[in-house]
Amino acid sequence: SQQGEEDPQALSIQEGENATMNCSYKTSINNLQWYRQNSGRGLVHLILIRSNEREKHSGRLRVTLDTSKKSSSLLITASRAADTASYFCATDISGGFKTIFGAGTRLFVKA
Amino acid sequence: DAGVIQSPRHEVTEMGQEVTLRCKPISGHDYLFWYRQTMMRGLELLIYFNNNVPIDDSGMPEDRFSAKMPNASFSTLKIQPSEPRDSAVYFCASTGTGQETQYFGPGTRLLVL
Repeated sequence: SQQGEEDPQALSIQEGENATMNCSYKTSINNLQWYRQNSGRGLVHLILIRSNEREKHSGRLRVTLDTSKKSSSLLITASRAADTASYFCATDISGGFKTIFGAGTRLFVKA
Repeated sequence: DAGVIQSPRHEVTEMGQEVTLRCKPISGHDYLFWYRQTMMRGLELLIYFNNNVPIDDSGMPEDRFSAKMPNASFSTLKIQPSEPRDSAVYFCASTGTGQETQYFGPGTRLLVL
């Protein structure tokens, strides 16, 4: 089964609203990353948070990590129509380059 | 930099035919990954290479799948014979030692009829 599981599977919001996506994982990690995938395109890296970090910001993105609960959240503030995409969390299993991706959250931002 | 290059972008073939997907990683990257993405199974890691050597191929679904990396700038993923259930988008990604993020190509959309 997949290491990372995103929640919700799909999210529809109005432009200007905040979007929150959650990710849960099962085993110990070195870091957790979030990627975005626009329809018909490859994945693009957004942000990485290490296992010893609790929160990280990048522009309108805010990521939190709770290793005790094995969970992470991605917050996109003041969403835009261009944020419409699928968002995946990815975990780097300790000791290797084997990155496991979750099933993704489909975000739709209505203009 | 041109990014990760994959070819072809789209492939339609008939069951039983051989399919070869190609990837050119970003220059200087020494890790290369092949992924498969389907609606049912999501994004799955098939195999990855380091310095042209396969490190983990545990995700390769069957013996019908094979991957090679003859040099640092080229890799192939071959399916022989292809089956309809192989229909998916296949992504190649690369990264460099010391980097923790992967750079994805645009993918090859494969349809096996």
